[in-house]
Formats: sequence, C-alpha cells, structure tokens
Amino acid sequence: DIQLTQSPSSVSASVGDSVTITCRASQNIIDYLAWYQQRPGRAPYLLISATSTLQSGVPSRFSGSGSGRAFTLTISGLQPEDFATYYCQQADSFPYTFGQGTKVEI
Amino acid sequence: QVQLQESGPGLVKPSQTLSLTCTVSGASISSGGFYWSWIRQPPGKALEWIAYIFYTGTTYYNPSLRSRLSMSVDTSKNQFSLKMTSVTAADTAVYYCARGPPLDTSGPSGAFDVWGQGAMVTVSS
Repeated sequence: DIQLTQSPSSVSASVGDSVTITCRASQNIIDYLAWYQQRPGRAPYLLISATSTLQSGVPSRFSGSGSGRAFTLTISGLQPEDFATYYCQQADSFPYTFGQGTKVEI
Repeated sequence: QVQLQESGPGLVKPSQTLSLTCTVSGASISSGGFYWSWIRQPPGKALEWIAYIFYTGTTYYNPSLRSRLSMSVDTSKNQFSLKMTSVTAADTAVYYCARGPPLDTSGPSGAFDVWGQGAMVTVSS
C-alpha cells in the first residue's frame, strides 16, 4: 500500500494567516492526489482533486500543488470556517489511502 | 443535488456481522459514471477506504479487510450495501458511504466527491 505522511500533524494559526500542509507519498503517485476538509462531527469534504483542481464552490484561497511524491495544500488568508482537519488521499493505486490528517487550530 | 444516506444498526456484538446500506438520491447508481465506496474512520483516527462497487456488481475490497467483506448493489432501489463479518472492537468507527472514484478511461480513478453524513457503529457486547 502507498503510505501518505502529512506534516505538520497540527498547526496553530490566526485568521488572515497563510498555512501550508505537506503530504509525502511513499512512491510516485504522479498527480493522483486529493485534499479533503473535515470539520468536527462532519463528513469529509472534497476540496481539490488531481493535485490542483479546485472543486466547484471551493474558495480560491485554497490551492494545491506538487507532483511525484511531494504535494502541498495552501490556504491563503485563513477564515474562521477553515479551522478544521485536512486529509490528503492518493488515487494512484488501490487500495486508496489517506494521510493521517493535519489539524489547523486557532 | 446528489445525497447519500447510511443506515444500519449502531451496535453490533463481537464476532457478529455488520450490515450497512447507503441510499442514493439525486443521481442514479446505474448511470455508470461513478463507482460507489465505503470509507470508515475510527474515533479520533484517520480515514480508511474499505471497498467500492460498480452498478454492474463489480467490486474491489481493501486487501486488509477482504476476507470479511462483501458488497452488493440494488439498482432498483438506488442502494448499495456493505457486510463485514467477524467484527471486533477494532471495527468500531464512523462508516461513510461516498460517491467515487469516477469511471475513467482506464477504470476507476479519482476522489470521493459526495459523502453521506456517516453512521457510527460500535462493536461491543
């Protein structure tokens, strides 16, 4: 199975700050990487697919980049509703796997 | 819009079988554009993809769980289901059904774009 390692595990930030989360894959996954946001008690919500494709309705302050084994999710100008846990997911090969999550805290 | 809703018992005894159903509204499972998956999340832990099914009945199970899993689809009811046998406390989790991955030219490939609200299943005597 492809292992995904996210860093940091948690980050403290303020409204208006920019935050970057890294996801590293145990092998080359080309650009088959997605990012999800999960608020407490809620289901995950797809933000970005295929490394950098923003889903409809997702604010432009979210952006993704990377290729191969290293990927990043950047939130530019944190809003109160962005404080949540973020997961990466590889879609290169089955079984699909997720990172362990990064909690963005106030 | 597309909505998914999980249903099933919230409490299952150890060694018994966990059964969940996902009802899809706003889209037809038979349209063929997507596979349909189960994903779980133990309390305080990360997400784990369990399995997918296509409307034709084609399935793929996570090898770590394969021996205990079966999925089925009922296109007339626009539902798909999961059965997991011989459960233990380690199977306690929120179980999500989700749309995805999409059907690509080479088969299933991509992310999960619509999720159910989740069903908490506790394994305990």
